[in-house]
Amino acid sequence: GENVEQHPSTLSVQEGDSAVIKCTYSDSASNYFPWYKQELGKRPQLIIDIRSNVGEKKDQRIAVTLNKTAKHFSLHITETQPEDSAVYFCAATPHKEYGNKLVFGAGTILRVKS
Amino acid sequence: GAVVSQHPSRVICKSGTSVKIECRSLDFQATTMFWYRQFPKKSLMLMATSNEGSKATYEQGVEKDKFLINHASLTLSTLTVTSAHPEDSSFYICSASGSRDDEQFFGPGTRLTVL
Repeated sequence: GENVEQHPSTLSVQEGDSAVIKCTYSDSASNYFPWYKQELGKRPQLIIDIRSNVGEKKDQRIAVTLNKTAKHFSLHITETQPEDSAVYFCAATPHKEYGNKLVFGAGTILRVKS
Repeated sequence: GAVVSQHPSRVICKSGTSVKIECRSLDFQATTMFWYRQFPKKSLMLMATSNEGSKATYEQGVEKDKFLINHASLTLSTLTVTSAHPEDSSFYICSASGSRDDEQFFGPGTRLTVL
């Protein structure tokens, strides 16, 4: 089945700097890659997603890039702010025969220091 | 936007009792609902996928007789943890999707503590 690896597990940046989180996936048929932000005790919230027919997507300070050949995708947050501090999860949707279930990465704890 | 609710938000029960958690899609019809559990500082682990009107599909290692899932309507799925034990204590989160290609919308989660 699909396996998603996420790095780093923790990331500390200074306010205003950029943060990059990387994920790799194993199923070449995966076609949907969302990123979620989760604050302590809260539900995961979708912050950006990308489908396999697109290489890059941007939404204000957040961008995601996808390299299908290498089977990896990355989250880029620019001009980080203290409120960006949270746990970030990447996910991938494996082959369609499994429906649109998501396989999550292990998560990255992002700390933005002011 | 799509809203998913979960009830209760927090439950404490004695070992050996059963607990039912409800997941509702409030403003859309959810053809598929997913149940996850999340341990502290860990990722979300998919437990099962449920489609309205059919039996749930459980992930490997999840006991279907212990975690009963019912998806009786397009807006409601329930997870019943039977004969709960302290090791079942966890954060249980549901999500709902309107079609095979739609994003998943997550409920707020239920914190289960088994004494």
